[in-house]
Amino acid sequence: AQTVTQSQPEMSVQEAETVTLSCTYDTSESDYYLFWYKQPPSRQMILVIRQEAYKQQNATENRFSVNFQKAAKSFSLKISDSQLGDAAMYFCAYRRSQGAQKLVFGQGTRLTINP
Amino acid sequence: EAGVAQSPRYKIIEKRQSVAFWCNPISGHATLYWYQQILGQGPKLLIQFQNNGVVDDSQLPKDRFSAERLKGVDSTLKIQPAKLEDSAVYLCASTPAGHYNSPLHFGNGTRLTVT
Repeated sequence: AQTVTQSQPEMSVQEAETVTLSCTYDTSESDYYLFWYKQPPSRQMILVIRQEAYKQQNATENRFSVNFQKAAKSFSLKISDSQLGDAAMYFCAYRRSQGAQKLVFGQGTRLTINP
Repeated sequence: EAGVAQSPRYKIIEKRQSVAFWCNPISGHATLYWYQQILGQGPKLLIQFQNNGVVDDSQLPKDRFSAERLKGVDSTLKIQPAKLEDSAVYLCASTPAGHYNSPLHFGNGTRLTVT
């Protein structure tokens, strides 16, 4: 079974600075998808960024980028120019490329932005 | 497009009582998920439907939890009888069938407190 591990329960960063959230996963498959979701206090899970495992290029969405290391099974999220609105729980998630489409989530990292 | 709708937003019940949650997915989304998110943890899949058929219910405690999606659109999740450990946020999500790189769209969840 696939597992996702986020080893940082909490992180904090000064506003306007850069922070990196870590994620590792375990799978025997070669093709899959990885996601980072943000969960603010409203509880709704919001997609931040996604990565296809067959793509070597790291995904980027404005201030958010990933460092995808397939051999190491690592998928970290970098947030540049941190803003107060980035404060939330962040979840790393894995999805197979075939069969059931369910997401397997990590335990989450709580990100605090200090003004 | 309208998002995933869930109700109620909050529910407080006593142990051994029953409770039901409702979810209406995004129009046209064939796949629907119910996740349980215990405080401080990542969401865990309870059940996945494709149209009105069950794809994965391996982690659903079937002695007390049940779910249905009779017409392949909206869905209900029921707990009977509730236990203290069922206190959690119950998230519903949907996605088009077969689109593995398509993200799951989540509702705002129902926060259940069992006293």
